[in-house]
Amino acid sequence: QVQLVQSGAEVKKPGASVKVSCKASGYTFTSYAMHWVRQAPGQRLEWMGWINAGNGNTKYSQKFQGRVTITRDTSASTAYMELSSLRSEDTAVYYCARVTVATSTWDAFDIWGQGTMVTVSS
Amino acid sequence: QLVLTQSPSASASLGASVKLTCTLSSGHSSYAIAWHQQQPEKGPRYLMKLNSDGSHSKGDGIPDRFSGSSSGAERYLTISSLQSEDEADYYCQTWGTGIRDVVFGGGTKLTVL
Repeated sequence: QVQLVQSGAEVKKPGASVKVSCKASGYTFTSYAMHWVRQAPGQRLEWMGWINAGNGNTKYSQKFQGRVTITRDTSASTAYMELSSLRSEDTAVYYCARVTVATSTWDAFDIWGQGTMVTVSS
Repeated sequence: QLVLTQSPSASASLGASVKLTCTLSSGHSSYAIAWHQQQPEKGPRYLMKLNSDGSHSKGDGIPDRFSGSSSGAERYLTISSLQSEDEADYYCQTWGTGIRDVVFGGGTKLTVL
């Protein structure tokens, strides 16, 4: 079945970086855009950016521009999200999510990863 | 600016129906949205994509108890025959091809009494 499986929880110190992986299975990885979304404790979902899994093109939310990098490894059907210069406010659950329509960048998210908890604490 | 507005909370009795609302900001009434359910301590689950004309396509395995409708800038999610497992946060999501952005509403916490 179609699923996204993310890497495990991380604990980082302020100023460090974190890299979260998202392994896709059950569909053609390169045919669907992959987005990243985070949710701080008690807060709403917040979009961070996306990657065209086919050609690697990316776009990031202005809020995270300069701190976030989204990449992919097509041979491993895996997308990655790296966030640098971490601060306590970055403590959140990070999700990858696939769009529902192949070859479409901007659309509903129909498959979500299980989430990765990232805790930033000194 | 593209904004989605949801009421923070809603409640209804077991077996009853409830209608949740997501409102698009001015000038964006033609936008499609998606509804997602987030049960406690779980990740989001896609429920459906809802177009401005009220047509919708549901995710795999989503029961017929979940339906969507639209009126102007309002997008609705109706859940009938409420069950205890429907107690969750419900988020709406939209996206802008021109503005190249994705926006979420603040979520509605549904309590099943």
